[in-house]
Amino acid sequence: GESVGLHLPTLSVQEGDNSIINCAYSNSASDYFIWYKQESGKGPQFIIDIRSNMDKRQGQRVTVLLNKTVKHLSLQIAATQPGDSAVYFCAGLGGSARQLTFGSGTQLTVLP
Amino acid sequence: DAEITQSPRHKITETGRQVTLACHQTWNHNNMFWYRQDLGHGLRLIHYSYGVQDTNKGEVSDGYSVSRSNTEDLPLTLESAASSQTSVYFCASSESGVWTQYFGPGTRLLVL
Repeated sequence: GESVGLHLPTLSVQEGDNSIINCAYSNSASDYFIWYKQESGKGPQFIIDIRSNMDKRQGQRVTVLLNKTVKHLSLQIAATQPGDSAVYFCAGLGGSARQLTFGSGTQLTVLP
Repeated sequence: DAEITQSPRHKITETGRQVTLACHQTWNHNNMFWYRQDLGHGLRLIHYSYGVQDTNKGEVSDGYSVSRSNTEDLPLTLESAASSQTSVYFCASSESGVWTQYFGPGTRLLVL
């Protein structure tokens, strides 16, 4: 089955700096990945997704990089703002059931 | 605006009682999902549905059931609540053939 995890449970960055949140997965057949943001007391919110036929995808202030060789993806947030403080999850699609498997999350804290 | 809502937002119940958590979406999505979120585990899939009268078991379905009588609703029932079912429950929905899921605000359940 699919295993999706995150490298660090917590990450602190200074306001204005760039943030990089990492995620590893185990199933080489995984072909789709999503990043979610979850603020305290709220449900996960879609940020950006990427298919396995891509190495990079950019959104507004966010970039996702996919390295299929080492089964790793990262979420980069440019010019991190206080409103970016949240838990960030990656999720991968794979396995015979074709369901999303979620990592445990990284708590991003933006320092003033 | 289309949305997905959950009720109640908070629930306290006793061991052995039957509990039903409601999920209602106005996106007109065919796919609906129930997850539980526990510290250190990320989101784990309980049950899912791809349309009216369709239900499927997820990774952690024991002790839970769902029914899908219309497109908008997927209630989750705990047949006989156990303390191990204390958790935060999230409902999500997605369009047919699309893997991006949109989440509700969650229900925090405490089983005493």
